[in-house]
Amino acid sequence: DTEVTQTPKHLVMGMTNKKSLKCEQHMGHRAMYWYKQKAKKPPELMFVYSYEKLSINESVPSRFSPECPNSSLLNLHLHALQPEDSALYLCASSRDSSGGANEQFFGPGTRLTVL
Amino acid sequence: AQSVAQPEDQVNVAEGNPLTVKCTYSVSGNPYLFWYVQYPNRGLQFLLKYITGDNLVKGSYGFEAEFNKSQTSFHLKKPSALVSDSALYFCAVRDSGNTPLVFGKGTRLSVIA
Repeated sequence: DTEVTQTPKHLVMGMTNKKSLKCEQHMGHRAMYWYKQKAKKPPELMFVYSYEKLSINESVPSRFSPECPNSSLLNLHLHALQPEDSALYLCASSRDSSGGANEQFFGPGTRLTVL
Repeated sequence: AQSVAQPEDQVNVAEGNPLTVKCTYSVSGNPYLFWYVQYPNRGLQFLLKYITGDNLVKGSYGFEAEFNKSQTSFHLKKPSALVSDSALYFCAVRDSGNTPLVFGKGTRLSVIA
């Protein structure tokens, strides 16, 4: 299985809602990533988990809360988001985060709209 | 600090013609270079990477890229473009340490029938 899956595909939420994005991989990868991508822009790194521990937080606002329950799963909990948080949220995984040569495998993304 | 430049926002090419999407990079150490493609409303798909060794790297779907250390470039090429190659292409770099992957701004490739 060489796939990264993400659910849901689309999500519409109000600014007071709480929701979660889910990501799963079964490639035995030990690094997992969350990216935010605005239209026609490159992905922006948000968080990196290495061996289920948070290793990088790119100064992301606390209304985004990542969680890595086990080596195959990655969640992103959302609370009190702003309309400017509307974007495509991409999950990725790689063999590990320390080897520079390891390519990342991306999921299809969750299209988030905040009203 | 690492950086990547994709100097062209848009590249147009006729179907059957060769295509080139340009990328230059800057890293302090040895670079690891990647190309990804993104189709509309999809995630990024890995095409190819350069780690070390042969300067010409072959990847998926007939794409290849040439690493040029003196020009700090890693241009993506394909001998004969297909309409289905039309997509957004990202070049990315990281150095040999534990640093995040840095993406270029992307180049939109349009192959015209």
